[in-house]
Amino acid sequence: DTGVSQDPRHKITKRGQNVTFRCDPISEHNRLYWYRQTLGQGPEFLTYFQNEAQLEKSRLLSDRFSAERPKGSFSTLEIQRTEQGDSAMYLCASSLVTSGLRETQYFGPGTRLLVL
Amino acid sequence: KNQVEQSPQSLIILEGKNCTLQCNYTVSPFSNLRWYKQDTGRGPVSLTIMTFSENTKSNGRYTATLDADTKQSSLHITASQLSDSASYICVVSHTLTGTASKLTFGTGTRLQVTL
Repeated sequence: DTGVSQDPRHKITKRGQNVTFRCDPISEHNRLYWYRQTLGQGPEFLTYFQNEAQLEKSRLLSDRFSAERPKGSFSTLEIQRTEQGDSAMYLCASSLVTSGLRETQYFGPGTRLLVL
Repeated sequence: KNQVEQSPQSLIILEGKNCTLQCNYTVSPFSNLRWYKQDTGRGPVSLTIMTFSENTKSNGRYTATLDADTKQSSLHITASQLSDSASYICVVSHTLTGTASKLTFGTGTRLQVTL
């Protein structure tokens, strides 16, 4: 396990379709983050999990978005009824948070979504 | 409001030249500041991290500085190479509770190194 992996790397879909992305974090990392990044911008926080618990959701995460991390390992991000404005790079990051250890988030390669 | 601003927005330099990227932040309470390199179509990769008490950190040809009083940071790239062409993102972490933290990302500086 050399890093965070995401699947698929690219997704093209038609407006109104549902899409699901997967993120596999670094083994034993207890925290997992989802970000969205549009062209020319820095990543924007969407949500994060501590183990299997979803602890925070951004206002950017509309009710069409849902994220899960059922067993505290991999996570999925689903977008229902996609809109053209959902076109972006979706980044996943993971970290190990323990007492006294400075948190470092390691990013995956991202999933680039294009909604036609 | 927690913000991170970077300048310039984009930069083109000749191979072998040096350059300096700037980052100003208004994040509180401050925990640490990182510079990430992001190649096109890839996820960000951490270059350096500095806490409040550190004012410089090097990673090969990359040297980051931090002035916590003025809330400014810079990333200096020495003897640039074509492979340095990427976006450089300044990320400031602020402490929530215990070891929990939240990141605020800058919009990045797009660097292009040419022959």
